[in-house]
Amino acid sequence: QVTLKESGPVLVKPTETLTLSCTVSGFSLSDARMGVSWIRQPPGKALEWLAHIFSNDEKSYSTSLKSRLSISKDTSTSHVVLTMTNMDPVDTATYYCARTDGTGYLYMRQANAYDIWGQGTMVIVSS
Amino acid sequence: QSALTQPASVSGSPGQSITISCTGTSSDVGSYQLVSWYLQHPGKAPKLIYEGTKRPSGVSNRFSGSRSGNTASLTISGLQAEDEADYYCCSYAGSSTFSVFGTGTTVTVL
Repeated sequence: QVTLKESGPVLVKPTETLTLSCTVSGFSLSDARMGVSWIRQPPGKALEWLAHIFSNDEKSYSTSLKSRLSISKDTSTSHVVLTMTNMDPVDTATYYCARTDGTGYLYMRQANAYDIWGQGTMVIVSS
Repeated sequence: QSALTQPASVSGSPGQSITISCTGTSSDVGSYQLVSWYLQHPGKAPKLIYEGTKRPSGVSNRFSGSRSGNTASLTISGLQAEDEADYYCCSYAGSSTFSVFGTGTTVTVL
């Protein structure tokens, strides 16, 4: 069974750095077909894509948040980590990690359908 | 990268068909037949219901997708009470931006 599970602090202060971890199981982060994205959703608002990491460790970031984001993975422990610097109350949201599977794609790097999602973790930014 | 544009709400009666549009640009929806659709019930994680030109295994065939130019569409036929949810489209947006989501549509079953 393929699962993803997010973990991290519920409460962070403004200007602090947020570090979230996504633990995956049922597939390998070294599988060439697999990738993982972080996606967030402020309360009552739409989904927003943040960052993606490919199996070969290449990364892609939201243009508007690129300067604040960093995504990395540890294949041996099956973790994908997102850090976001200089947190602000507007960053209050549920943060999800989600998997992409390039099976059947002509170009696996274009596979951006998220077939498995974590349950999400709520992060509140407040002093 | 701006969010894809979706209508804020769409409603229909049980048994009817409804269509949700998702308008992007020539840099995303218009360039790639790589639009996915998700439904999200309150308090739950999104669920993939359509991917490019196909439905994932186990998803009802009442959901179908299409694309014309810079606009993708999701049609729900035979509307059921359980279809009441928020729906999001998502498009591949190139090697640097990768993904862009839509603004979301709330579907109400009257």
